[in-house]
Amino acid sequence: DTAVSQTPKYLVTQMGNDKSIKCEQNLGHDTMYWYKQDSKKFLKIMFSYNNKELIINETVPNRFSPKSPDKAHLNLHINSLELGDSAVYFCASSQAGANYGYTFGSGTRLTVV
Amino acid sequence: TQLLEQSPQFLSIQEGENLTVYCNSSSVFSSLQWYRQEPGEGPVLLVTVVTGGEVKKLKRLTFQFGDARKDSSLHITAAQPGDTGLYLCAASTSGTYKYIFGTGTRLKVLA
Repeated sequence: DTAVSQTPKYLVTQMGNDKSIKCEQNLGHDTMYWYKQDSKKFLKIMFSYNNKELIINETVPNRFSPKSPDKAHLNLHINSLELGDSAVYFCASSQAGANYGYTFGSGTRLTVV
Repeated sequence: TQLLEQSPQFLSIQEGENLTVYCNSSSVFSSLQWYRQEPGEGPVLLVTVVTGGEVKKLKRLTFQFGDARKDSSLHITAAQPGDTGLYLCAASTSGTYKYIFGTGTRLKVLA
């Protein structure tokens, strides 16, 4: 069983569209995250939820909205997609804060055309 | 803004050679992690270090946290093609859930 699974793996869409990426973890972790990896492979945190409560909200356009229906799921909805949103988005989870290390999903490659 | 600089940015070596990757910052961190990422996959945790001066070994990989907890190094002995990948350091200040990631080192080991 995959520990952290994201869907879809690839997403190609036109500018202006709205899209969602889903993430689920079966590790029993309390905390989940969304990270964005740009073309230079730099990983930057976007959001974090701990037991369904938003605890980290970095400087991200409000077109990005995370939603955590329960502590095993963290979805990312993006409105009005722009060319600059093209990147790989990673979901991750950790137990009791990140000091125990993140477990990452395999990523969603978003391409906006 | 906290920044973790990694060096070198790119490294291409022959199988059997040794190498060291560095992760430096002007900030003091409570803990530091190293990850390896392969193409099409997410980063995978290699090690966490929390004590200044701490050294951890994982087979041919040796990790060290600087005495002042501002820097770290990853040394690979007798590199193998399977070591090829993107190496990322990540560090956290005390009491946060947030780790910031380094700029990355892309390693290629040629057979």
